[in-house]
Formats: sequence, C-alpha cells, structure tokens
Amino acid sequence: DIQMTQSPSSLSASIGDRVTITCRASQSIINYLNWYQQTSGKAPKLLIYAASSLQSGVPSRFSGSGYGTDFTLTISSLQPEDFATYFCQQSYISPWTFGQGTKVEIK
Amino acid sequence: QITLKESGPTLVKPTQTLTLTCTFSGFSLSTSGVGVGWIRQPPGKALQWLALIFWDDDKRYSPSLRSRLTITKDTSQNQVVLTMTNMDPVDTATYYCAHGHYDLGRFDYWGQGTLVTVSS
Repeated sequence: DIQMTQSPSSLSASIGDRVTITCRASQSIINYLNWYQQTSGKAPKLLIYAASSLQSGVPSRFSGSGYGTDFTLTISSLQPEDFATYFCQQSYISPWTFGQGTKVEIK
Repeated sequence: QITLKESGPTLVKPTQTLTLTCTFSGFSLSTSGVGVGWIRQPPGKALQWLALIFWDDDKRYSPSLRSRLTITKDTSQNQVVLTMTNMDPVDTATYYCAHGHYDLGRFDYWGQGTLVTVSS
C-alpha cells in the first residue's frame, strides 16, 4: 500500500491566519491526490482533487499544490467554519489510502 | 442531486457477518466512469478505505481486509452492498459509502455514515 503521511497532526491558528498542511506519499502518485474536510460528527467533504483542482462550491481560499510525492493544502485566510480535520487521499494505486488527518483548532 | 445513505445493523456480535447497504439516487451505477466505495472511521481515528465497485463491475478491495470483504451492486435498485465476515470489536467504526470517479479517483458525495458497534 502507498503510505500517506500528513504534517502536522494538529495545529492552532487564529481567524484570518494563513494555514498550510502537508501530505507526503511513500512513492510517486503523480497528481492523484485529494483533500477532504471533516467537521465533528459529519461525513468528509471533498475540497481539492487532482492535487490542485477546486471542487465545485468550495471557497477560493482553499488551494492545493504539489506533484509526485509532496503536496500542500493551503487556507489563505482561516474562517470560523474552517476549524475541522483535514485528510489527504491518494487515488493513484488501489487501495486508495488516506493520511492520518490534521486537526485545525482555534488558538 | 446526488445522495447516498447507508443502512444496516448498529450492533453486531463478534464472529458475525456484517451486511451494509448503500442506497443512492441522482446517478446510475451503469454510467461509465462511476463507482461507489466504502470507507470506515473508528471513533477518533483516521479514514480507512475498504472497497470500491465501478460501473463495469470492476471491484477493488483493501488488501488487509480482502479475505473478509465482498462488494456487490444492484444497478436496477440503485444499491451497493458490502459484507464483512468475522467481525471483531476492532471493526467498530462509522461506515460511509461514497460516490466515486474512476478518472482521478475522488469521492465527491458521501452518505451520512452509520455507526456499527461490535460487542457481545
């Protein structure tokens, strides 16, 4: 299986901060990388697919970048509704593995 | 509008077989490129991809659970069924089904999830 490693595991930030989350794959996954947001008790929501494509309806403050093994999710200006857990997922090779998650908390 | 909903038992005993049904609307599983997957999440833990079935009946499974999982589809009923044998307390989790794409492999619509507890 391809291992997906996210960093940090958690972070504290303030409203308006720029937040960056990193995801590293154990081998090249080209650009087959998706990002999801999960708020407490809810199902995950797709934010970014193919490393940098914004899912329809997702605010433009979310962006993704990367290629090969290293990827980044950036929130340009953190909003109250963005406090959640974020997961990356590779879909290059089955099984489509997820990272362990990054929890974004209020400072 | 695409919706998915999971159904099945909320409590199973160890060694029993779990059968979960995903009933969906707003798309057809006979459409090229479409798939439905199952993902689970133990309480407080990360997401774990379990299985996926595509429009052409191509099936993919998590290698670590392959011997215990079976995924099937009923296109006419708009349902996907996942069975997991020999349930154990470590299988306690919220189980989600999700609409997926063969191309680029994203899950863009998810069910609300169903919590399954394994306990005697």
